[in-house]
Amino acid sequence: GAGVSQSPSNKVTEKGKDVELRCDPISGHTALYWYRQSLGQGLEFLIYFQGNSAPDKSGLPSDRFSAERTGGSVSTLTIQRTQQEDSAVYLCASSLGPRGVNTEAFFGQGTRLTVV
Amino acid sequence: AQKVTQAQTEISVVEKEDVTLDCVYETRDTTYYLFWYKQPPSGELVFLIRRNSFDEQNEISGRYSWNFQKSTSSFNFTITASQVVDSAVYFCALSGYTNAGKSTFGDGTTLTVKP
Repeated sequence: GAGVSQSPSNKVTEKGKDVELRCDPISGHTALYWYRQSLGQGLEFLIYFQGNSAPDKSGLPSDRFSAERTGGSVSTLTIQRTQQEDSAVYLCASSLGPRGVNTEAFFGQGTRLTVV
Repeated sequence: AQKVTQAQTEISVVEKEDVTLDCVYETRDTTYYLFWYKQPPSGELVFLIRRNSFDEQNEISGRYSWNFQKSTSSFNFTITASQVVDSAVYFCALSGYTNAGKSTFGDGTTLTVKP
């Protein structure tokens, strides 16, 4: 597709359940990022994939959070045993590369996760 | 550690007024990137500008202009002759030069332009 695609757009889950959020980056983009945006706040970095390098997971808030990127394209963010504080909009972005003019990041519309 | 401060939480102006959104940052890196993004009510972030730390030239793009001052660690954004469509949340962000994908965002400034 032309842009970054995220699914689902909305997800309501019960506390304690696992959820999977999907991101389809722009074709050819080697860099992929996940951010979390809580209500009325800025974006919080979660994880960063660059090509075949080991991902930078330094932003993941707990071991309940994990992410993978298959074939250098689609990425899935998994939250296990969801808690109410996990409720937020999860944003995915991709860029051509990590540096220089390639750093323009294109964001998806996000997945709004609500844990009840 | 990196930090981005957008002291203005909300700004309200009347159409055609000029408005400046402030951004102050902290970093120990000697080279870094600075960004501005716009988040309209639809929710999707839109990239506006990227600035390398070694390039202090100010930039103008239509009604938008950016003032980067390394001496004061500021990267302010001015909208000239604001329009209703400029209403959005604007985020300033900072990243390291070798890992530009890992950005630190400010909390955003909500701009409301009234007709």
